[in-house]
Amino acid sequence: QTVVTQEPSFSVSPGGTVTLTCGLNSGSVSTNHYPSWYQQTPGQAPRTLIYSTNTRSSGVPDRFSGSILGNKAALTITGAQADDESDYYCVLYVGSGISVFGGGTKLTVL
Amino acid sequence: EVQLLESGGTLVQPGGFLRLSCAASGFTFSSYAMSWVRQAPGKGLEWVSSSGISGATYYADSVRGRFTISRDSSKDTLFLQMNSLSPEDTAVYYCAKRGPSGTVFFDYWGQGTLVTVSS
Repeated sequence: QTVVTQEPSFSVSPGGTVTLTCGLNSGSVSTNHYPSWYQQTPGQAPRTLIYSTNTRSSGVPDRFSGSILGNKAALTITGAQADDESDYYCVLYVGSGISVFGGGTKLTVL
Repeated sequence: EVQLLESGGTLVQPGGFLRLSCAASGFTFSSYAMSWVRQAPGKGLEWVSSSGISGATYYADSVRGRFTISRDSSKDTLFLQMNSLSPEDTAVYYCAKRGPSGTVFFDYWGQGTLVTVSS
């Protein structure tokens, strides 16, 4: 069974930089998994941030960036703001039409 | 402007069935794959099913054999037929548009419809 792993929670100071990661229990994450990232606040639909590893979705500020770091996908927020406090989910494509969400990271800005 | 409007969510008894709909507008529906993603109360997001433009369909193991995804391009509508429902299927169900060909991500989301499975 494919499991996508994310940090359950993370904290960052306003103006600080934070990197959230997205791993795979079966091995390394690569661009072939087409990593994407989504932001969700309580009661709201997800918002698309990053796709294809490092492409920002329309309207997403450039302080959000995606990459592969080591064997994981990563989402970096530079200059964190109060309204970045949200849940962040990564998705990996594992083939055969199947996408798998990570468990999500709850980001606190304080 | 892309819009996705889900409907059909309600309270249903265990073992029952339900059909969700997602009315799409603002893009050429027949040219994009579409998906359903769900979120149980207080839990994370879970991919449920996808419908490709060629007619291919894909399912998560948790719903395969019980759920059926379909689409009506004449009405720009995506469906999810859900049978043999269990309390574990209780969730907000989101309709999501897939990105352009060559990409694999969800670029637009509906607001969701709540399905509650309980006696």
